Amino acid sequence: GAVVSQHPSWVICKSGTSVKIECRSLDFQATTMFWYRQFPKQSLMLMATSNEGSKATYEQGVEKDKFLINHASLTLSTLTVTSAHPEDSSFYICSARIAGVVNEQFFGPGTRLTVL
Amino acid sequence: LAKTTQPISMDSYEGQEVNITCSHNNIATNDYITWYQQFPSQGPRFIIQGYKTKVTNEVASLFIPADRKSSTLSLPRVSLSDTAVYYCLVRGNNAGNMLTFGGGTRLMVKP
Repeated sequence: GAVVSQHPSWVICKSGTSVKIECRSLDFQATTMFWYRQFPKQSLMLMATSNEGSKATYEQGVEKDKFLINHASLTLSTLTVTSAHPEDSSFYICSARIAGVVNEQFFGPGTRLTVL
Repeated sequence: LAKTTQPISMDSYEGQEVNITCSHNNIATNDYITWYQQFPSQGPRFIIQGYKTKVTNEVASLFIPADRKSSTLSLPRVSLSDTAVYYCLVRGNNAGNMLTFGGGTRLMVKP
């Protein structure tokens, strides 16, 4: 149980285009989802916290207008990278917390974004 | 948020026991200690979590001394497939607490 999926697993896009990444909790409800970014050989950096039905909370230095987060249901959060540039190329990982259980987060498999 | 310090990398051989120690001198009373494993191009995977003393599951053991300022992840008889990055995190038990990843320890298991 407690499986989190991401789609797509990888995506290549042209500079200036927008890319949407989906994060789904497959067998549980997630009131809170988190979005991370990871550059090669580096650790995960939290980008934002997404709560179902409310606006996301972004970490310092993360542009909310560039990284649009929507958490419209208890099983789905989306991250849209708008007007992507090569420096946005990274590994994007989401995690989800089971509703009512604060101690565990379950991570998705990640999405590799390459912007040409 | 309590900051964690771990060795950047470790080498081991198949069949050996590996102990990775993490320092968290500023851990708060309500903080838990959690370890994650990450393989290349995959999301982190939960290994073990504890608050004090010793916790053991089918994958690893976690040793936490009385002062809780450090913790040691013990992997018994590692195999090549245990080559990964291991992250030590401390976080509170409140709904608003998120995970903050440190640098992690890159474990290389050699044949």
